[in-house]
Amino acid sequence: EIVLTQSPATLSLSPGERATLSCRASQSVSSYLAWYQQKPGQAPRLLIYDASNRATGIPARFSGSGSGTDFTLTISSLEPEDFAVYYCQQRSNWRYTFGQGTKLEIK
Amino acid sequence: QVQLQESGPGLVKPSQTLSLTCTVSGGSISSGGYYWSWIRQHPGKGLEWIGYIYYSGSTYYNPSLKSRVTISVDTSKNQFSLKLSSVTAADTAVYYCARDGGDGYPIDYWGQGTLVTVSS
Repeated sequence: EIVLTQSPATLSLSPGERATLSCRASQSVSSYLAWYQQKPGQAPRLLIYDASNRATGIPARFSGSGSGTDFTLTISSLEPEDFAVYYCQQRSNWRYTFGQGTKLEIK
Repeated sequence: QVQLQESGPGLVKPSQTLSLTCTVSGGSISSGGYYWSWIRQHPGKGLEWIGYIYYSGSTYYNPSLKSRVTISVDTSKNQFSLKLSSVTAADTAVYYCARDGGDGYPIDYWGQGTLVTVSS
């Protein structure tokens, strides 16, 4: 099973600042990594797929990068609505795994 | 626009079987090309994949839950279902149904989720 490890667990920043979230895979997932945003009481929402492609309707301030085992989600300038929990996810060999999440909170 | 909606009891007694159904609208399960999943989230915790099914009936389960899980599909109703047997309080969670395109593809649609509490 591929294990995804996200860091940091919690990130405290202010609106307007840049956020950098990390996801590391225990073995290569090529570029087949997705990022999701989850707000309280809501289902996760797809932000990024194939490591760097924004999903439909996702603002340009969200970007993803990486391949193999190391991936990054960057939010260039935080808006108030961006404070949420972010998960990375991969699907390979007929199994899903998720990272444990990074909580992005207002400083 | 594809929509998924979970339904089922919100309270299940310990040792009983949890049963949920996901109704899909805006797209046909039988058209193929997608996998239909169950994912759960324990209160305040991360996401755990339970398993998924293809329209043909092929299933894949999380090995940690495999002995207790059954996922089935009813293409005539455009629904798929989850049964989780011998539940305990540790199975209390929000259960989501979702869709993805297979290995390498993301989960592009999610249901809103339904909280299932296991308690006597």
